[in-house]
Amino acid sequence: NAGVTQTPKFQVLKTGQSMTLQCAQDMNHEYMSWYRQDPGMGLRLIHYSVGAGITDQGEVPNGYNVSRSTTEDFPLRLLSAAPSQTSVYFCASRRGGERRETQYFGPGTRLLVL
Amino acid sequence: DAKTTQPNSMESNEEEPVHLPCNHSTISGTDYIHWYRQLPSQGPEYVIHGLTSNVNNRMASLAIAEDRKSSTLILHRATLRDAAVYYCILDSYDKVIFGPGTSLSVIP
Repeated sequence: NAGVTQTPKFQVLKTGQSMTLQCAQDMNHEYMSWYRQDPGMGLRLIHYSVGAGITDQGEVPNGYNVSRSTTEDFPLRLLSAAPSQTSVYFCASRRGGERRETQYFGPGTRLLVL
Repeated sequence: DAKTTQPNSMESNEEEPVHLPCNHSTISGTDYIHWYRQLPSQGPEYVIHGLTSNVNNRMASLAIAEDRKSSTLILHRATLRDAAVYYCILDSYDKVIFGPGTSLSVIP
């Protein structure tokens, strides 16, 4: 298994540009989520999904859209990038329906918005 | 959302035990207590979790207070590779919220 994969690893955007961060998992996990981590800070939940076709907002959803058309993929879209969205973005997944399950994290995407 | 509080930083000497505390006074009866750690420039990785009873695995032990309002992650012999940020999290299934964590330094 590849686990949780994220692309790209690093991206530079100009203010106002849009882009999609890709996240995929091959573990047939129902639950997927996106976090952002600013320098020296903890992770903050952006959006999450408990299964295909179901998404919900986390702590800091503004400026981001998500969709979950398949179990495997959970892309994060930045609609109009702002310098405040400069951060490292982590995608995570786990099996659904059982709270004892651990989350598996991807390697992260470093985003710089100029 | 239930929250946790942890010390910002701790230090330990190499090969000594480390006790990382976490307070979670607003925990609900069905919240699991999870610990993750994050090494520099990596994503978080699972360490251990529990509900009511103390738990042991190859990485660490988790001691949970009888009233479940606090817990302690125990690293039995700290190594330099254990230097990381440790997060204590209450797993409410849908929203998994991370706090700022405890930055652990290990002194050779």
